[in-house]
Amino acid sequence: GQQLNQSPQSMFIQEGEDVSMNCTSSSIFNTWLWYKQDPGEGPVLLIALYKAGELTSNGRLTAQFGITRKDSFLNISASIPSDVGIYFCAGQLGSNYKLTFGKGTLLTVNP
Amino acid sequence: SQTIHQWPATLVQPVGSPLSLECTVEGTSNPNLYWYRQAAGRGLQLLFYSVGIGQISSEVPQNLSASRPQDRQFILSSKKLLLSDSGFYLCAWSRQGAEAFFGQGTRLTVV
Repeated sequence: GQQLNQSPQSMFIQEGEDVSMNCTSSSIFNTWLWYKQDPGEGPVLLIALYKAGELTSNGRLTAQFGITRKDSFLNISASIPSDVGIYFCAGQLGSNYKLTFGKGTLLTVNP
Repeated sequence: SQTIHQWPATLVQPVGSPLSLECTVEGTSNPNLYWYRQAAGRGLQLLFYSVGIGQISSEVPQNLSASRPQDRQFILSSKKLLLSDSGFYLCAWSRQGAEAFFGQGTRLTVV
């Protein structure tokens, strides 16, 4: 099946630093989504991207839909301790109802 | 606004016992519904999805089954649990777009 390669697997940063993570695939996706999961909770949708080249922001978060439609990145600026969690990318192929998820990036922010 | 409820939050069951996890969605009609499992390795694995009452698609052959007896109710079941069924189970819903919204999850431990 389709796979999303998400990197890095984990990040340890200091409060105030900027963070960047990305997802790549050999398949072309119609939609890219970014989620955040806190421990013991369900993932929460952060940003949805629907067009190639689209750049969307949500507060300190910015995500882009790659021009080739095979990749996406998420940036977090000026990180704070509550940014800690696992960040997942997810993509949708065609009109399929299903999402393919990356394996997640575990973010740790040291105060 | 739409809400999704999933219960129980945690469950400890002996090997060989049956399982029933329930998920309900409020505030929308005819949603697409999904069951995911998240193992310790963090990835989200799609188990089942449903586009309507009585319509279930299975993604992974396994010891589990799903049913959708009502429009906004999705149930995950097993007749006899295995140790390997332990994990974090997540229910999600979506409308026509790709954006999926997750419940709080059920932590299942099979002992």
